[in-house]
Amino acid sequence: DTEVTQTPKHLVMGMTNKKSLKCEQHMGHRAMYWYKQKAKKPPELMFVYSYEKLSINESVPSRFSPECPNSSLLNLHLHALQPEDSALYLCASSQDRAGTSSGNTIYFGEGSWLTVV
Amino acid sequence: AQSVTQLGSHVSVSEGALVLLRCNYSSSVPPYLFWYVQYPNQGLQLLLKYTSAATLVKGINGFEAEFKKSETSFHLTKPSAHMSDAAEYFCAVTGMDSSYKLIFGSGTRLLVRP
Repeated sequence: DTEVTQTPKHLVMGMTNKKSLKCEQHMGHRAMYWYKQKAKKPPELMFVYSYEKLSINESVPSRFSPECPNSSLLNLHLHALQPEDSALYLCASSQDRAGTSSGNTIYFGEGSWLTVV
Repeated sequence: AQSVTQLGSHVSVSEGALVLLRCNYSSSVPPYLFWYVQYPNQGLQLLLKYTSAATLVKGINGFEAEFKKSETSFHLTKPSAHMSDAAEYFCAVTGMDSSYKLIFGSGTRLLVRP
Protein backbone atom coordinates (compact mmCIF):
# COMPACT_ATOMS: atom_id res chain seq x y z
CA ASP A 1 0.00 0.00 0.00
CA THR A 2 1.77 3.12 -1.22
CA GLU A 3 -0.52 5.81 0.09
CA VAL A 4 0.10 9.33 1.26
CA THR A 5 -3.04 11.06 2.50
CA GLN A 6 -3.44 14.82 2.50
CA THR A 7 -6.12 17.03 4.05
CA PRO A 8 -7.85 19.23 3.19
CA LYS A 9 -8.16 18.74 -0.55
CA HIS A 10 -9.13 22.38 -1.02
CA LEU A 11 -8.45 25.38 1.19
CA VAL A 12 -9.34 29.02 0.70
CA MET A 13 -7.78 31.46 3.14
CA GLY A 14 -7.39 35.17 3.59
CA MET A 15 -4.03 36.84 3.84
CA THR A 16 -4.43 37.31 7.61
CA ASN A 17 -5.56 33.76 8.35
CA LYS A 18 -3.65 30.93 9.97
CA LYS A 19 -4.32 27.49 8.58
CA SER A 20 -2.58 24.13 8.33
CA LEU A 21 -2.18 21.41 5.74
CA LYS A 22 -1.86 17.86 7.00
CA CYS A 23 -0.21 14.76 5.60
CA GLU A 24 -0.12 11.18 6.82
CA GLN A 25 1.62 8.02 5.67
CA HIS A 26 1.62 4.53 7.15
CA MET A 27 4.30 2.94 5.01
CA GLY A 28 6.99 3.21 7.67
CA HIS A 29 8.83 5.78 5.60
CA ARG A 30 11.35 7.90 7.46
CA ALA A 31 11.63 10.78 5.01
CA MET A 32 8.76 13.17 4.26
CA TYR A 33 8.59 16.13 1.92
CA TRP A 34 6.57 19.19 1.04
CA TYR A 35 6.45 20.32 -2.59
CA LYS A 36 4.74 23.31 -4.16
CA GLN A 37 3.35 23.11 -7.68
CA LYS A 38 2.10 26.04 -9.72
CA ALA A 39 -0.10 25.50 -12.76
CA LYS A 40 1.65 23.97 -15.76
CA LYS A 41 4.93 23.66 -13.85
CA PRO A 42 6.78 20.75 -12.23
CA PRO A 43 6.73 20.42 -8.43
CA GLU A 44 9.31 22.42 -6.48
CA LEU A 45 10.83 21.05 -3.30
CA MET A 46 10.15 23.09 -0.16
CA PHE A 47 11.14 20.99 2.85
CA VAL A 48 12.56 17.57 3.67
CA TYR A 49 12.20 15.82 7.01
CA SER A 50 14.41 12.87 7.77
CA TYR A 51 13.73 10.82 10.90
CA GLU A 52 11.40 13.57 12.11
CA LYS A 53 14.03 16.27 11.88
CA LEU A 54 14.05 19.06 9.35
CA SER A 55 17.02 18.37 7.09
CA ILE A 56 16.35 20.54 4.07
CA ASN A 57 14.72 23.97 3.75
CA GLU A 58 14.88 25.20 0.19
CA SER A 59 14.92 28.88 1.21
CA VAL A 60 11.18 28.91 1.82
CA PRO A 61 9.68 32.11 3.32
CA SER A 62 8.95 31.93 7.03
CA ARG A 63 5.21 32.30 6.43
CA PHE A 64 5.41 28.57 5.69
CA SER A 65 6.26 26.57 8.81
CA PRO A 66 6.63 22.78 8.65
CA GLU A 67 6.17 20.44 11.56
CA CYS A 68 6.69 16.70 11.93
CA PRO A 69 4.90 15.54 15.10
CA ASN A 70 5.84 11.90 14.56
CA SER A 71 7.15 9.57 11.88
CA SER A 72 3.75 9.26 10.19
CA LEU A 73 2.56 12.86 10.21
CA LEU A 74 3.70 16.03 8.51
CA ASN A 75 2.06 19.43 8.80
CA LEU A 76 2.54 22.69 6.96
CA HIS A 77 1.43 25.73 8.95
CA LEU A 78 0.42 28.73 6.90
CA HIS A 79 0.32 32.32 8.13
CA ALA A 80 0.11 35.68 6.39
CA LEU A 81 0.25 34.18 2.94
CA GLN A 82 0.19 36.14 -0.27
CA PRO A 83 -2.02 35.53 -3.33
CA GLU A 84 1.04 34.30 -5.23
CA ASP A 85 1.26 31.43 -2.73
CA SER A 86 -1.86 29.95 -4.28
CA ALA A 87 -0.82 26.56 -5.63
CA LEU A 88 -1.10 22.80 -5.26
CA TYR A 89 0.84 21.64 -2.20
CA LEU A 90 2.06 18.08 -2.44
CA CYS A 91 3.22 15.91 0.41
CA ALA A 92 5.47 12.96 -0.33
CA SER A 93 7.38 10.27 1.49
CA SER A 94 10.18 7.80 0.88
CA GLN A 95 11.88 4.97 2.72
CA ASP A 96 14.81 7.15 3.60
CA ARG A 97 16.46 10.28 2.30
CA ALA A 98 19.74 8.50 1.77
CA GLY A 99 20.66 6.75 -1.45
CA THR A 100 20.17 3.03 -1.75
CA SER A 101 20.92 0.55 -4.48
CA SER A 102 17.23 0.20 -5.18
CA GLY A 103 16.70 3.90 -5.62
CA ASN A 104 14.82 6.04 -3.20
CA THR A 105 11.33 6.15 -4.67
CA ILE A 106 9.34 9.17 -3.56
CA TYR A 107 5.58 8.65 -3.30
CA PHE A 108 3.22 11.59 -3.58
CA GLY A 109 -0.16 12.36 -2.13
CA GLU A 110 -3.09 13.82 -4.05
CA GLY A 111 -2.24 17.33 -2.94
CA SER A 112 -4.01 20.22 -1.26
CA TRP A 113 -5.24 23.03 -3.49
CA LEU A 114 -4.61 26.33 -1.74
CA THR A 115 -6.18 29.61 -2.77
CA VAL A 116 -5.14 32.79 -0.98
CA VAL A 117 -7.58 35.69 -1.34
CA ALA B 1 24.66 17.78 -10.43
CA GLN B 2 21.67 16.37 -12.27
CA SER B 3 19.25 17.83 -14.79
CA VAL B 4 16.45 16.61 -17.03
CA THR B 5 15.20 17.86 -20.39
CA GLN B 6 11.85 16.81 -21.78
CA LEU B 7 11.48 17.52 -25.47
CA GLY B 8 8.05 18.76 -26.40
CA SER B 9 5.72 20.44 -23.94
CA HIS B 10 2.76 18.89 -25.78
CA VAL B 11 2.47 15.60 -27.63
CA SER B 12 -0.71 14.69 -29.49
CA VAL B 13 -1.48 11.16 -30.68
CA SER B 14 -4.50 9.32 -31.98
CA GLU B 15 -6.11 6.64 -29.87
CA GLY B 16 -4.37 3.35 -30.62
CA ALA B 17 -1.17 5.02 -31.85
CA LEU B 18 2.29 4.68 -30.36
CA VAL B 19 3.12 7.03 -27.51
CA LEU B 20 6.70 8.33 -27.30
CA LEU B 21 7.65 10.91 -24.67
CA ARG B 22 11.27 12.00 -24.69
CA CYS B 23 13.54 12.55 -21.72
CA ASN B 24 17.26 13.28 -21.70
CA TYR B 25 19.22 13.54 -18.48
CA SER B 26 22.52 14.88 -17.29
CA SER B 27 24.15 13.40 -14.24
CA SER B 28 27.67 13.33 -12.84
CA VAL B 29 26.87 10.22 -10.81
CA PRO B 30 24.95 7.04 -11.70
CA PRO B 31 21.40 8.25 -11.98
CA TYR B 32 18.10 6.97 -10.75
CA LEU B 33 15.43 7.91 -13.27
CA PHE B 34 11.69 8.11 -12.83
CA TRP B 35 8.58 8.79 -14.82
CA TYR B 36 5.59 10.20 -12.99
CA VAL B 37 2.10 10.87 -14.37
CA GLN B 38 -0.25 13.57 -13.16
CA TYR B 39 -3.89 13.33 -14.16
CA PRO B 40 -5.94 16.54 -14.09
CA ASN B 41 -6.43 17.88 -10.58
CA GLN B 42 -4.52 15.01 -8.98
CA GLY B 43 -1.15 14.34 -7.41
CA LEU B 44 1.79 12.56 -9.00
CA GLN B 45 1.71 8.82 -9.53
CA LEU B 46 4.84 6.78 -10.15
CA LEU B 47 4.79 5.07 -13.55
CA LEU B 48 8.20 3.42 -13.43
CA LYS B 49 11.77 3.84 -12.28
CA TYR B 50 15.26 2.89 -13.44
CA THR B 51 17.77 1.79 -10.82
CA SER B 52 20.41 0.04 -12.98
CA ALA B 53 18.95 -3.44 -12.56
CA ALA B 54 17.73 -3.59 -16.17
CA THR B 55 17.85 -1.10 -19.02
CA LEU B 56 14.29 -1.80 -20.15
CA VAL B 57 11.88 -0.93 -17.38
CA LYS B 58 8.23 -1.89 -17.43
CA GLY B 59 5.75 0.21 -15.53
CA ILE B 60 2.06 0.44 -14.86
CA ASN B 61 -0.69 0.94 -17.44
CA GLY B 62 1.36 -0.61 -20.25
CA PHE B 63 4.15 1.98 -20.22
CA GLU B 64 7.82 1.16 -20.46
CA ALA B 65 11.06 3.09 -20.74
CA GLU B 66 14.53 2.23 -21.95
CA PHE B 67 17.69 3.58 -20.34
CA LYS B 68 20.35 4.38 -22.95
CA LYS B 69 23.55 5.54 -21.33
CA SER B 70 25.24 6.36 -24.64
CA GLU B 71 22.40 8.71 -25.53
CA THR B 72 21.71 9.85 -21.92
CA SER B 73 18.07 9.16 -22.62
CA PHE B 74 15.15 7.56 -20.81
CA HIS B 75 12.24 7.82 -23.24
CA LEU B 76 8.78 6.64 -22.25
CA THR B 77 6.72 4.54 -24.66
CA LYS B 78 3.40 2.80 -24.89
CA PRO B 79 2.44 0.74 -27.96
CA SER B 80 -1.19 1.84 -28.10
CA ALA B 81 -2.56 5.04 -26.60
CA HIS B 82 -5.84 5.07 -24.73
CA MET B 83 -8.01 8.08 -24.03
CA SER B 84 -7.36 7.61 -20.32
CA ASP B 85 -3.62 8.21 -20.89
CA ALA B 86 -4.23 11.92 -21.41
CA ALA B 87 -2.26 13.57 -18.62
CA GLU B 88 0.92 15.45 -17.75
CA TYR B 89 4.06 13.31 -17.66
CA PHE B 90 7.19 14.24 -15.72
CA CYS B 91 10.61 12.70 -16.06
CA ALA B 92 12.79 13.03 -12.96
CA VAL B 93 16.31 12.16 -11.86
CA THR B 94 18.14 11.74 -8.59
CA GLY B 95 21.60 10.50 -7.76
CA MET B 96 22.70 8.17 -5.03
CA ASP B 97 24.48 11.07 -3.42
CA SER B 98 21.32 13.16 -3.19
CA SER B 99 18.37 10.89 -3.70
CA TYR B 100 16.15 13.00 -1.48
CA LYS B 101 15.88 15.58 -4.23
CA LEU B 102 13.98 14.77 -7.38
CA ILE B 103 15.03 16.97 -10.27
CA PHE B 104 12.01 17.23 -12.56
CA GLY B 105 11.79 17.97 -16.23
CA SER B 106 9.37 20.64 -17.34
CA GLY B 107 6.71 18.08 -18.18
CA THR B 108 4.96 16.89 -21.33
CA ARG B 109 1.21 17.13 -21.78
CA LEU B 110 -0.08 14.07 -23.66
CA LEU B 111 -3.25 14.64 -25.67
CA VAL B 112 -5.08 11.64 -27.09
CA ARG B 113 -7.40 12.23 -30.05
CA PRO B 114 -10.37 9.91 -30.60
